[in-house]
Amino acid sequence: ELKVEQNPLFLSMQEGKNYTIYCNYSTTSDRLYWYRQDPGKSLESLFVLLSNGAVKQEGRLMASLDTKARLSTLHITAAVHDLSATYFCAVASGGSNYKLTFGKGTLLTVNP
Amino acid sequence: NAGVTQTPKFQVLKTGQSMTLQCAQDMNHEYMSWYRQDPGMGLRLIHYSVGAGITDQGEVPNGYNVSRSTTEDFPLRLLSAAPSQTSVYFCASRPQGSNGYTFGSGTRLTVV
Repeated sequence: ELKVEQNPLFLSMQEGKNYTIYCNYSTTSDRLYWYRQDPGKSLESLFVLLSNGAVKQEGRLMASLDTKARLSTLHITAAVHDLSATYFCAVASGGSNYKLTFGKGTLLTVNP
Repeated sequence: NAGVTQTPKFQVLKTGQSMTLQCAQDMNHEYMSWYRQDPGMGLRLIHYSVGAGITDQGEVPNGYNVSRSTTEDFPLRLLSAAPSQTSVYFCASRPQGSNGYTFGSGTRLTVV
């Protein structure tokens, strides 16, 4: 059974600081997703990482994937208040990678 | 395209009542799935379908039924609602051969 662990689950940051969210998973997969969710809203896709060593960046967020270590990271650079949200990683599995297994999410609060 | 449409957005049920959560997509996506989101648990897969007439169980299928008679629709049925089914339900779809999922806006269900 695939297990996905995110840490930390809660993260309080000051504006301008850097931090990393970690996503570990238990079985082989080469497809990993990062989502953002604002309170009361649906999931917004941030990144899809498809191969070992994949790195993607969008604004102050950068995601990477190490399939050998079964680890993905979401790095936040110079945080701003607008980044406050819950961030989820999800790992694909099953035939044609149809099934997503989500981490429990990281609630990020960026304080002025 | 309307994307993935979920109805209703909010629902309150009494224990033992039945209801159907609707999910429709107009993008001709082969793959559709239902997730539930509970505080601190991330999203968990309930049922999924890889095409019309084909459904399968996810991680937490008990108490839920699904069918897929058309490509567009993937309803989720609660036959006898229980308080443990109080949750936010998300429907998602993805075309075959693509990596990107589209999530609906969610249905917030309370069972009293």
